[in-house]
Amino acid sequence: KAGVTQTPRYLIKTRGQQVTLSCSPISGHRSVSWYQQTPGQGLQFLFEYFSETQRNKGNFPGRFSGRQFSNSRSEMNVSTLELGDSALYLCASSLAYESQGGSPLHFGNGTRLTVT
Amino acid sequence: AQSVTQLDSQVPVFEEAPVELRCNYSSSVSVYLFWYVQYPNQGLQLLLKYLSGSTLVKGINGFEAEFNKSQTSIHLRKPSVHISDTAEYFCAVRVTGGGNKLTFGTGTQLKVEL
Repeated sequence: KAGVTQTPRYLIKTRGQQVTLSCSPISGHRSVSWYQQTPGQGLQFLFEYFSETQRNKGNFPGRFSGRQFSNSRSEMNVSTLELGDSALYLCASSLAYESQGGSPLHFGNGTRLTVT
Repeated sequence: AQSVTQLDSQVPVFEEAPVELRCNYSSSVSVYLFWYVQYPNQGLQLLLKYLSGSTLVKGINGFEAEFNKSQTSIHLRKPSVHISDTAEYFCAVRVTGGGNKLTFGTGTQLKVEL
């Protein structure tokens, strides 16, 4: 079974631009979550989608948004990029939203975003 | 709110020596506990999870963890490390009934030396 696929792997953008990152979950997984990883703040939860609906949201400004499609694929968008948005963005998928029995998250290899 | 504290930011250890990576958590509600590993330029890979039951949990790659409810800790151990275990290790909690949102610790960099 293919793992979580994130595209692109690397991205360089300029301040003020916007960017869209893509995530394809493991086949059959319906929940997709996004995390930002930086050296200063560590791993921080952005949001979680299940059945095309945002179910959970972290403490990020409205410039960060996402969506999920009917095939469970997800995209996240960051508008008006700032230098501080430079980070590794990780996508993770899980079988269900309320994963009874602690069904774990499976992570992709991330998209490395650099804002100059 | 939940919080996770990984007590050591870096742990150097010689190959074939034992290692323990420490993790304490705080939560007012029931949680699931996880350990993940991250190799350079990769995502996170699940090492083990604690849901309930036996306090000793076996994971992959020879890792295990011991859950201590009174001390709200879940320390990760390996009796004999290998060079390939060099990576960053993250402890995380997830609230039961709270979706799949994980709260992570700040990570422990394990460096295995010859």
